[in-house]
Amino acid sequence: KQEVTQIPAALSVPEGENLVLNCSFTDSAIYNLQWFRQDPGKGLTSLLLIQSSQREQTSGRLNASLDKSSGRSTLYIAASQPGDSATYLCATLAGDKLVFGAGTILRVKS
Amino acid sequence: DGGITQSPKYLFRKEGQNVTLSCEQNLNHDAMYWYRQDPGQGLRLIYYSQIVNDFQKGDIAEGYSVSREKKESFPLTVTSAQKNPTAFYLCASSIGSGGYNEQFFGPGTRLTVL
Repeated sequence: KQEVTQIPAALSVPEGENLVLNCSFTDSAIYNLQWFRQDPGKGLTSLLLIQSSQREQTSGRLNASLDKSSGRSTLYIAASQPGDSATYLCATLAGDKLVFGAGTILRVKS
Repeated sequence: DGGITQSPKYLFRKEGQNVTLSCEQNLNHDAMYWYRQDPGQGLRLIYYSQIVNDFQKGDIAEGYSVSREKKESFPLTVTSAQKNPTAFYLCASSIGSGGYNEQFFGPGTRLTVL
C-alpha cells in the first residue's frame, strides 16, 4: 500500500528566502506525482505534475523534481513571497487512485 | 467559464440525518472523485467514477453512497451510518483515469454534525 510522507510538517521563513519542501513515497510504481497548493478553507490548486518518465517540471518560481528510484520528490520555491503562504500537498498516482501526503504548512513572513 | 462547483459551501447535519453534497463539472471530464480531508491529514478517497453509471469504492467508502447518472454530476450522500462525518469534502475530476490525467478540484464543502 502506497504511503506518502511530507517533511517538514510546517515551515516558517522570511520573505525572499529560497526553500525546499520534501515528499517521499514507499512504492516507486507510480504514474505521476502532483504538487498542490491549498489555501485555508479552500480547494486544491494544481501546481505541477511530473510524469513517471520525467525528472522535473518548472513553472515560474516553482521547480519540482522526481526521483522514482529513491521514492522522493522535492518542490523548490525561489524568492519566496508572503503570498506563497499556504499548505502544500504532494500526491502520487498509482492505479486509479491519488494518494496524498499530509502536507507542509508554509508561512512566509514579510 | 469551465470548472468544478460544489454546494453548499457549509452544511450542518443533525445526528441520524442523511445529507447530500453536490458536485458539478462542465469540463467534459469522464472521471470524478470524492475525497475527505480531516485536520492535519491528507485527502482520503471515498468513491470515484470513471464513466457514467459506474463507480468504485475508495479507501473509506463505509457510510457514504454516490450516483453517477450524468457525466457532469457526481453527488455524495453522507448517511447516518457514517460515525464521524464532520470533515471537509472535496470533489475532483479528470479527463480520464489513466496515469497522464491531472485531477482538478472544486472549492469544497465543510460538513459539521451538530
